[in-house]
Amino acid sequence: TQLLEQSPQFLSIQEGENLTVYCNSSSVFSSLQWYRQEPGEGPVLLVTVVTGGEVKKLKRLTFQFGDARKDSSLHITAAQPGDTGLYLCAGAPKAGSYQLTFGKGTKLSVIP
Amino acid sequence: EAQVTQNPRYLITVTGKKLTVTCSQNMNHEYMSWYRQDPGLGLRQIYYSMNVEVTDKGDVPEGYKVSRKEKRNFPLILESPSPNQTSLYFCASSWTRTATGELFFGEGSRLTVL
Repeated sequence: TQLLEQSPQFLSIQEGENLTVYCNSSSVFSSLQWYRQEPGEGPVLLVTVVTGGEVKKLKRLTFQFGDARKDSSLHITAAQPGDTGLYLCAGAPKAGSYQLTFGKGTKLSVIP
Repeated sequence: EAQVTQNPRYLITVTGKKLTVTCSQNMNHEYMSWYRQDPGLGLRQIYYSMNVEVTDKGDVPEGYKVSRKEKRNFPLILESPSPNQTSLYFCASSWTRTATGELFFGEGSRLTVL
């Protein structure tokens, strides 16, 4: 079973600060997704990256897929209280996989 | 509104009393899946279905059953629940036949087994 390790596990920052969350594995993934989960709700997809070295931006969020497709990062610029939530990365070992491997998540709190 | 609906949202039951958690999606999705989410363990897949009448085990299938008789419904059955099945359960669906497309999750069903 391929594993995805996320770090840090918990992060508490002040509004306006920048932060980076990491998702690492020793295995290669065909694609990697990032989800955000708010309390009492199911995860919601933020982005999918499929090409090594790919960078995608979603407003203040920047996602990067490692060149070797073994790791990914999520960078948030000028964090806002609305960014608070659990951030999950999920990887597919190959194209057409029926199963995703989820990381355990990074719980982010942005304090006003 | 496109959505995945789970019922019940909350349930407290006792050991051994059979229960079913229903899941329905209105997006005509091929792929559906069940996950459980536990502190420190993250999201783990229980079962998934690629199409009607086609299901397969995920990483933690013991103690669970599923069926996919209709495209829109994918119920999760606990024949004889035990306390270690206390968890937060999520149903998800995707327009692709695999897990690599966007997964749409339900709001979750919190189950407590006493």
